[in-house]
Amino acid sequence: QVHLVQSGAEVKKPGSSVKVSCKTSVRSYAVNWVRQAPGQGLEWVGRIIPMMRITDYAQNFQGRVTITADRSMNTVYMELSSLVSEDTAVYYCAREIVGATRLESWGQGTLITVSS
Amino acid sequence: SYVLTQPPSVSVAPGQTAMISCGGYNLGSKPLHWYQQKPGQAPVLVVYDDSDRPSGIPERFSGSKSGDTATLTISRVEAGDEADYYCQVWDSNSDEVVFGGGTKLTVL
Repeated sequence: QVHLVQSGAEVKKPGSSVKVSCKTSVRSYAVNWVRQAPGQGLEWVGRIIPMMRITDYAQNFQGRVTITADRSMNTVYMELSSLVSEDTAVYYCAREIVGATRLESWGQGTLITVSS
Repeated sequence: SYVLTQPPSVSVAPGQTAMISCGGYNLGSKPLHWYQQKPGQAPVLVVYDDSDRPSGIPERFSGSKSGDTATLTISRVEAGDEADYYCQVWDSNSDEVVFGGGTKLTVL
C-alpha cells in the first residue's frame, strides 16, 4: 500500500506564503503537486525528482512556487508565495516513477484557504 | 501550451457502456493516462499508457487511442462509477504535466 501523507489544512492572508508537506518514499520517484480549486478541474503546479535534484514548474506558477525535498526525512515541500484568493484550492501531492509520466499514487489533499 | 479536450459531461444508464474522449494535437506520440475522481476524494489512476490497467482496477475499464483521440471505455456501468474522469499527458515541449478539463460521468 503506497502512502503519501500531507500536512493539514491552513488559512492564509492574501500576500502571504504557504508551505505544504508530503511524506513519502522518494527513492526512484518524482513527486508532483496538483491543485484543484473548488468545483474546478486538476491543475499541475510542478514536480521534483529528489534523487536527481531536478525541479519542473508550470509556467502559470513560475516565480511563485518552490518545491524542495528532504531525502533523509522522505518529505517533499511545496511553497507558494504572494497568495491571492484564487489560490484557494485543495493541493495534492502525487508520486510518479521517474520517466513513466503517470501519477500512480496520490496524497489525501491539503485545503489551503486564502482569505482576508 | 498543450491542450487536451474532453466533453464536459457524459450520461449513461446502468449496465450500458460509457465512452469518454480526450483529444490533443499529435496525441498519438504521447502516452496518455486516465484518472477517476469521486467527490471529496483524491484522483485514482484507472488506465495508463493508453490502455494498461493498474492492479485492482476492474477489467470493465479500458483505454484506446486512434490518431489524436484517446477513449476511456467503461463497460457494464455501475452506479459507483459516477465520478469525474481526467486524461493526462506529459508535454515534452514545455516539460509540464497537462490534464484535460475533466468529464463528469452521470449514471442515470
